[in-house]
Formats: sequence, C-alpha cells, structure tokens
Amino acid sequence: AQSVTQLGSHVSVSEGALVLLRCNYSSSVPPYLFWYVQYPNQGLQLLLKYTTGATLVKGINGFEAEFKKSETSFHLTKPSAHMSDAAEYFCAVRDPGGSYIPTFGRGTSLIVHP
Amino acid sequence: DVKVTQSSRYLVKRTGEKVFLECVQDMDHENMFWYRQDPGLGLRLIYFSYDVKMKEKGDIPEGYSVSREKKERFSLILESASTNQTSMYLCASRAGTGWNIQYFGAGTRLSVL
Repeated sequence: AQSVTQLGSHVSVSEGALVLLRCNYSSSVPPYLFWYVQYPNQGLQLLLKYTTGATLVKGINGFEAEFKKSETSFHLTKPSAHMSDAAEYFCAVRDPGGSYIPTFGRGTSLIVHP
Repeated sequence: DVKVTQSSRYLVKRTGEKVFLECVQDMDHENMFWYRQDPGLGLRLIYFSYDVKMKEKGDIPEGYSVSREKKERFSLILESASTNQTSMYLCASRAGTGWNIQYFGAGTRLSVL
C-alpha cells in the first residue's frame, strides 16, 4: 500500500521568499511521484513528475522537486515566490507495478503575502 | 490541446433528487476517474473506469454509481442526493498505464440543500 503525507495544510510566505512544500511518501517499491497545482476555481494541473532517472526534477513556473529515496521525500521548492503562486498544491504517489491509481496527499494551501 | 470538460461548474440540488454529473474528454483516453475534493481531505477516489462499460470502485463509492457507455464520456450518478454529498467533484482522464499523467476537468461544485 502507498500513502502520502503533506506536512502543513497551510504555508504562508512573503513575495520573493523561498517556497518549500513538504511531501513524504510510503511505498513498497520506488514510486512515481507527482506534484499538481490547483488555482482557485480550477481543476488540477501537473507541475512536475518523477518517474526514473535524475532525482532533481524541474517543472513549470520555476518549481522543482527532488526525489530523496533515503528520506522518502519529494519536497517542492521555488526560490522566489510570486503572488500568482497562491494556490493549493497536491503531492501524489503511484506504484509503477500496481493498480496505476495514484494516491493524493491532503493538499497544502500556499499563501503569498505582498 | 488536452481537454476534459465537466458539464456544470455549479449545481444546486435538493435532498433526495437524482443527480447526474457529466464528464467528456477529447483525447481518446482509456481511463477516466471521478474524485471528490473536500477541505482538509484532499482528493478521494469515488470510481474509475479503464474501458467502455467497465468500472471499478474507488475508496468512497457508497451513495454513488457511474456509467461509461462511450469512451469519451464518464457520468457520476447520485441516486438520492444527501447533504453530506455537498462537495467539489473532479473528473480526470488518462491514457493507458505506465507513468502517463492524469488530466483534470475544472470541477463541479455541488450543493445539496
């Protein structure tokens, strides 16, 4: 079985500050990992994904995430927050050899202050 | 461009009504999903379908059913709506298996009064 934990239901940063959204997973095999973003009144869209290969993954809008197997983590970062980054962020994990159904975390709401 | 369309953005229904939520994708994807999104609970899978006329229960299927008569359309049905089904409903589709990603619709916010 797989599970995802997103630490902090809300994260508040100032514009220009570092963004760090935490995601830890449990999986019996090396998983596929995803970060999705949901802007207000919209569906989810993919920010980035890790499947195999390079553990540092770059996504859209300046976001990146690093797969750390030893820490079972896939934290999302952005060096400098912008007001437009305010949204809900979801981490998801999927077992490559399993049912192909991803498990989503509970989400982290990013608040950006001017 | 990939498109998943949910027929209604907002819906208000009364307790006991039969409710249909429709989802259409134009990407010829095999897999389609219905999720429910509630604050603090994230996305919870209600049902999914991996082919026409095929369906599988997700984590919270009680009180819901689905229909997939055509590949592009996946309907979520609330047989007798209840107030605890007030929520945001998200549809998604995905091609095949492997690491293919899900594409989401904009969501339907359902209020049951």
